[in-house]
Amino acid sequence: DAGVTQSPTHLIKTRGQQVTLRCSPKSGHDTVSWYQQALGQGPQFIFQYYEEEERQRGNFPDRFSGHQFPNYSSELNVNALLLGDSALYLCASSLGTGVGSTEAFFGQGTRLTVV
Amino acid sequence: AQSVTQLGSHVSVSEGALVLLRCNYSSSVPPYLFWYVQYPNQGLQLLLKYTSAATLVKGINGFEAEFKKSETSFHLTKPSAHMSDAAEYFCATNSGGYQKVTFGIGTKLQVIP
Repeated sequence: DAGVTQSPTHLIKTRGQQVTLRCSPKSGHDTVSWYQQALGQGPQFIFQYYEEEERQRGNFPDRFSGHQFPNYSSELNVNALLLGDSALYLCASSLGTGVGSTEAFFGQGTRLTVV
Repeated sequence: AQSVTQLGSHVSVSEGALVLLRCNYSSSVPPYLFWYVQYPNQGLQLLLKYTSAATLVKGINGFEAEFKKSETSFHLTKPSAHMSDAAEYFCATNSGGYQKVTFGIGTKLQVIP
């Protein structure tokens, strides 16, 4: 089992550009969540996708958007990059969206640097 | 909204000493609580989780945590620290429903030889 895989591992972009990050969930999982972890901070929830729809969203501007594909993989898109978007972006996968024990498996993240 | 507060952003212990990382939760309903570990340049790994089945939860790598409702705490402990335990530890809570996980700010554990 490959677990949650994210690509690329590192990325450098220029302010104002757009970026796409990718995530493949753990086998058998159908829900993908994205988190932003700034340096020295805990991860912050961006949004979650289930059945190809955004189900819940954190306090992030519309510059952050996403997509989930029929195979459950997901993309995170960030437009008009700001220096403050530099962070580790983590993808987590899980099964279902019901209330209950939630074990989210995390990928190793994509380190985005905006210059 | 559910939240967690981690007390102490940095904790240093000697190898072989007790590890105690503190976490308090704020919730109007019984929460789901988690401890995650993050090694340098790595993602997050689940250490243990509390889902109301038992107040003392045992996790991986010899860690355990006790849910204390009267103190609204979920502190992480390990009897004897190893050098390999040096990492950042995050307490987290689940708000239910759509599995959004809310994390604390993290505690960096340093193990001194």
